[in-house]
Amino acid sequence: QVQLVESGGGLVKPGGPLRLSCAASGFTFSDYYMSWIRQAPGKGLEWISYITSSSSYTNYADSVKGRSTVSRDNAKNSLYLQMNSLRVEDTAVYYCVRVSSYGFDIWGQGTMVTVSS
Amino acid sequence: QSALTQPASVSGSPGQSITISCTGTSSDVGGYNYVSWYQQHPGKVPKLMIYEVSNRPSGVSNRFSGSKSGNAASLTISGLQAEDGADYYCSSYTTSSTLVFGGGTKLTVL
Repeated sequence: QVQLVESGGGLVKPGGPLRLSCAASGFTFSDYYMSWIRQAPGKGLEWISYITSSSSYTNYADSVKGRSTVSRDNAKNSLYLQMNSLRVEDTAVYYCVRVSSYGFDIWGQGTMVTVSS
Repeated sequence: QSALTQPASVSGSPGQSITISCTGTSSDVGGYNYVSWYQQHPGKVPKLMIYEVSNRPSGVSNRFSGSKSGNAASLTISGLQAEDGADYYCSSYTTSSTLVFGGGTKLTVL
């Protein structure tokens, strides 16, 4: 079945780096744009990044621009998010999401990132 | 990248219809037909309910419908059922080639 599985979350100290991964299965990964979306505890959804199917274009929310890099490996059906200079306000569940017609149609279960000293 | 504006909460009785609004600008909602809506039950993953303003993915009940007028989009749920109680979020593509969500609306089925 169509599935996205995130990994790499955990407890990180402020200022530290983190790399999230997402393994896709059940669909032709290379056909789709992919995105990262996060949700802070008790808060709403926040789009943070997307990457086109061939990696030719990426874009980021202002809140993470300059500190984050999204990438993908179509041969491995995998999506990545490298985040640097993490802040307490980056604490959230991070979702790997498939993009279709600029809608988010398939979501992973999410991975929790906690930034705390 | 300002968030789209949604009411914090709406409520309705079983069988009634409710509408949730999502207000943006000509740079997002008003500029593209890439408005989508998501349902999220507590502790669960969001689910796509409407895409491209008014299209329903396979498996989504036809009690859910979407529309847009100018810079505002709407999600209407007809024949409210208890299981419709959840948080709802709208999203839109923007002229900056980014995406933006609304702040979310909590639907209470009375």
